Amino acid sequence: SQQGEEDPQALSIQEGENATMNCSYKTSINNLQWYRQNSGRGLVHLILIRSNEREKHSGRLRVTLDTSKKSSSLLITASRAADTASYFCATDDQAGTALIFGKGTTLSVSS
Amino acid sequence: NAGVTQTPKFQVLKTGQSMTLQCAQDMNHEYMSWYRQDPGMGLRLIHYSVGAGITDQGEVPNGYNVSRSTTEDFPLRLLSAAPSQTSVYFCASEGTGRGTEAFFGQGTRLTVV
Repeated sequence: SQQGEEDPQALSIQEGENATMNCSYKTSINNLQWYRQNSGRGLVHLILIRSNEREKHSGRLRVTLDTSKKSSSLLITASRAADTASYFCATDDQAGTALIFGKGTTLSVSS
Repeated sequence: NAGVTQTPKFQVLKTGQSMTLQCAQDMNHEYMSWYRQDPGMGLRLIHYSVGAGITDQGEVPNGYNVSRSTTEDFPLRLLSAAPSQTSVYFCASEGTGRGTEAFFGQGTRLTVV
C-alpha cells in the first residue's frame, strides 16, 4: 500500500504567494524525498531530508520533517507560473529497497 | 549523459497481445524500478531490482514480468495485455545505497484496446 499521502490534493494560488503542501506517512523512514512532475513528463527530484534532520532549504524550497507525527511539509516561497506542476513525496519501503510515492498535490499558479 | 531512457514513448496494444517496455540507464545505478501512474492514484510500484540478477515485486506486480541481466537494462514485459493495464509507465534508477535521488525516464503511455 502507499506509504505517503499528500494534502491537499489540489492547490491554486496567485504568483508571488507561498504554497504549502503536506505529506503524511505510515511507518518509520530513513529519509523522505520530494519530486515535481510537469504535465506529461517524468518526475524530477527536488530535495531529500534525512530522518535525523528537521528542516532543509534549497532555493525557494523549504522542507520540514516531523518524525514523531510522521509528516513532512514542502513550502515553495514566492511562487511562479513555472511552479505549476504535481508534487509528490516519496519514502523508502520498509525493506529500504524501493521508493514509495504518495498520490501527489497538483499546484496551479496563475499570473 | 542520457540518464534514463524509455522506449517506446507511446504504444497501443490489443487485448491479449504481449510487449516489452524498454528501460536503460547509463549512470551505473544499482537500483531500478518500474511504476505505473493512473489518474488520482499517484505512482504505484510494479517491480524493482537492487542489482543485476535480483528482482522483486512491488505493490501491483500481476500481469508484468521483469528481468535484470545487466546493470544498464531493466525491461518490463506485459504477458497478455488487458485494458486495466492502460496507464503511463515510468522507469527509475537510483545510485548504490539508500538516500539518493531517483532519476526517471520520460514515460511510456500505453493504451490497451
